[in-house]
Amino acid sequence: KAGVTQTPRYLIKTRGQQVTLSCSPISGHRSVSWYQQTPGQGLQFLFEYFSETQRNKGNFPGRFSGRQFSNSRSEMNVSTLELGDSALYLCATTEGGSTDTQYFGPGTRLTVL
Amino acid sequence: AQSVTQLDSHVSVSEGTPVLLRCNYSSSYSPSLFWYVQHPNKGLQLLLKYTSAATLVKGINGFEAEFKKSETSFHLTKPSAHMSDAAEYFCVVREAGYSTLTFGKGTMLLVSP
Repeated sequence: KAGVTQTPRYLIKTRGQQVTLSCSPISGHRSVSWYQQTPGQGLQFLFEYFSETQRNKGNFPGRFSGRQFSNSRSEMNVSTLELGDSALYLCATTEGGSTDTQYFGPGTRLTVL
Repeated sequence: AQSVTQLDSHVSVSEGTPVLLRCNYSSSYSPSLFWYVQHPNKGLQLLLKYTSAATLVKGINGFEAEFKKSETSFHLTKPSAHMSDAAEYFCVVREAGYSTLTFGKGTMLLVSP
């Protein structure tokens, strides 16, 4: 099976812009979780989607949003970008059960100037 | 609430010597515990997981970890380090019945020839 894919791999944006990142799960996986990784805060959970519904949400401002499509692909959007949003954004997918192992994609490196 | 403490931010070893990466966790209920590895500019790869079966868990690439409930520890070991083991390692906890992962801050493993 193909692994988790994320596009684009790299992005450069300026403050105030918005950005959309995409995650395609492993075939058969219906749950997609998003994480933000920064040198200062480490890896932090953003949100999880399962069957097109947000199932869990981390402690991030409303500028961070996501959605999931019927084919399980997920997008996350960050509006009104701030310098502090510069990070590696990782998605992880599972078949959907809470005990399933999460498999991570390579990440999207976002730089905000 | 669950939390993870990785006791060392950096560990340096020589090739061929043993590796010990320390992790302590806090969890209200029976947790699942994981170790993930991240090579530079890559996503996270699962090394091993503990899900309430055997307390000594064997993973990929010769790594293993022992779950010690009395000490709330889940240390990662390898008998003999290889240059390719140089990477950042994350200890992760998941509360029973929940899908969200909580990450430690990571331990950078440096392997010298």
